[in-house]
Amino acid sequence: DAGITQSPRHKVTETGTPVTLRCHQTENHRYMYWYRQDPGHGLRLIHYSYGVKDTDKGEVSDGYSVSRSKTEDFLLTLESATSSQTSVYFCAITSSPGTGREQYFGPGTRLTVT
Amino acid sequence: GQQLNQSPQSMFIQEGEDVSMNCTSSSIFNTWLWYKQDPGEGPVLLIALYKAGELTSNGRLTAQFGITRKDSFLNISASIPSDVGIYFCAGSGRTSYGKLTFGQGTILTVHP
Repeated sequence: DAGITQSPRHKVTETGTPVTLRCHQTENHRYMYWYRQDPGHGLRLIHYSYGVKDTDKGEVSDGYSVSRSKTEDFLLTLESATSSQTSVYFCAITSSPGTGREQYFGPGTRLTVT
Repeated sequence: GQQLNQSPQSMFIQEGEDVSMNCTSSSIFNTWLWYKQDPGEGPVLLIALYKAGELTSNGRLTAQFGITRKDSFLNISASIPSDVGIYFCAGSGRTSYGKLTFGQGTILTVHP
């Protein structure tokens, strides 16, 4: 199994509060991704990182920000949580999207915004 | 943006039957990946495809990268109860930093 952990695994928070989810990898992979999963939508990309301090937006980035200050950690922040951000969040990593291109996923964080 | 249509959305089969599901894209992909997700867990990679026309097997699973590069299919032979789960296809383009576009998933139920 790829060495990916996510924390917390479950969180309930109130509308308007800030929330930070953490993804930690032990594989020293350069590329990291945050997805959200909602019924009927599969997984959708929120943000991704192609190196330390190098990040970019994905398909559904509104309301989210990310930071990557070291290779092993990729943080996803909801500045002011809304009920529409209730979802399951997955982090993924890959060593090189140009060759292997296989992404490996963490166990997920279930976030409920009340 | 790119869209993937995965079908069927759900399947109810008897143990021992073969299963087939497919994905079609509005855009060309350079990589097709197939994942399985069990309840409460992250997706697990089953098969990766990198070349148009490529046919790859992993045990009872076989997947193909369509020659138009806009489709892919996954077959499961002789299904067993542990095949239950959600199966996702995902595609990636050439210069996309490995960003994946996912299908909506196929929910597979296997009756013993």
